[in-house]
Amino acid sequence: ETGVTQTPRHLVMGMTNKKSLKCEQHLGHNAMYWYKQSAKKPLELMFVYSLEERVENNSVPSRFSPECPNSSHLFLHLHTLQPEDSALYLCASSQDFLGRGAYEQYFGPGTRLTVT
Amino acid sequence: KQEVTQIPAALSVPEGENLVLNCSFTDSAIYNLQWFRQDPGKGLTSLLLIQSSQREQTSGRLNASLDKSSGRSTLYIAASQPGDSATYLCAVRNQGGKLIFGQGTELSVKP
Repeated sequence: ETGVTQTPRHLVMGMTNKKSLKCEQHLGHNAMYWYKQSAKKPLELMFVYSLEERVENNSVPSRFSPECPNSSHLFLHLHTLQPEDSALYLCASSQDFLGRGAYEQYFGPGTRLTVT
Repeated sequence: KQEVTQIPAALSVPEGENLVLNCSFTDSAIYNLQWFRQDPGKGLTSLLLIQSSQREQTSGRLNASLDKSSGRSTLYIAASQPGDSATYLCAVRNQGGKLIFGQGTELSVKP
C-alpha cells in the first residue's frame, strides 16, 4: 500500500465512449502525475500537476483530458479513444515537482484500459 | 535528450544466487536515480532512491550504486529468492523534474 489509490482497476471501453480514471493520494503531496505504460515500452509521462496547476503536458492527444480539482485528487477524462490507447495507466505523487529535493515518487496500482 | 537503458532485458537465475542489474543513462545532469519493482499488471514499488551526491544506498538484501560521471547504476540483489521475481525499473530524475524510465529487466528466480 503506497498511499496512492486508483479506480477503476480495469476498464473496457468502446471508441465512442466517455470515461474517467480517478487517482487519490493520502500522503499530503503537492505534485501528481499520469503515466502510460504500453507493452514492451518504457513508462511515458503524460501530465504533471504541481499545486493543482498543470506544469507538464508531454504532447498528449486531446482525447486525454486531465483534471486536478485539489492536491489530493487527479482525474484523466477519456473520449473517442483508439485501440492503440490500450495500456496500463499509472498515477503517482511526490512531495513536490521542481527543485533539488529527493521527491521520491509513489505510484498507484494502475488502471488496465482496453479500448475495443 | 536523456535516454535510460537497462541490461539485460530478462534474467533467469536459480534461487540463492547473487545478481546484478545494470542501468545506464546518457545525460549525467540528474538530481537522483530511483529503482522500482513492478509485479505483473501492478503498479510500481519504490526500492531505493540515490541522490546525485551519493554513491550507494542499501535496503536489506538490495544495494544500489551510482556513478554519475559515467552514467551508470547497478542494483545488487543478494541471496535471491523466488519472491524477488518481478520487473525491475530504473529511472533518473532530470533537472526539469521529470522521471525518465528504462524499459526494465524482467527477473525470474527459480526455486
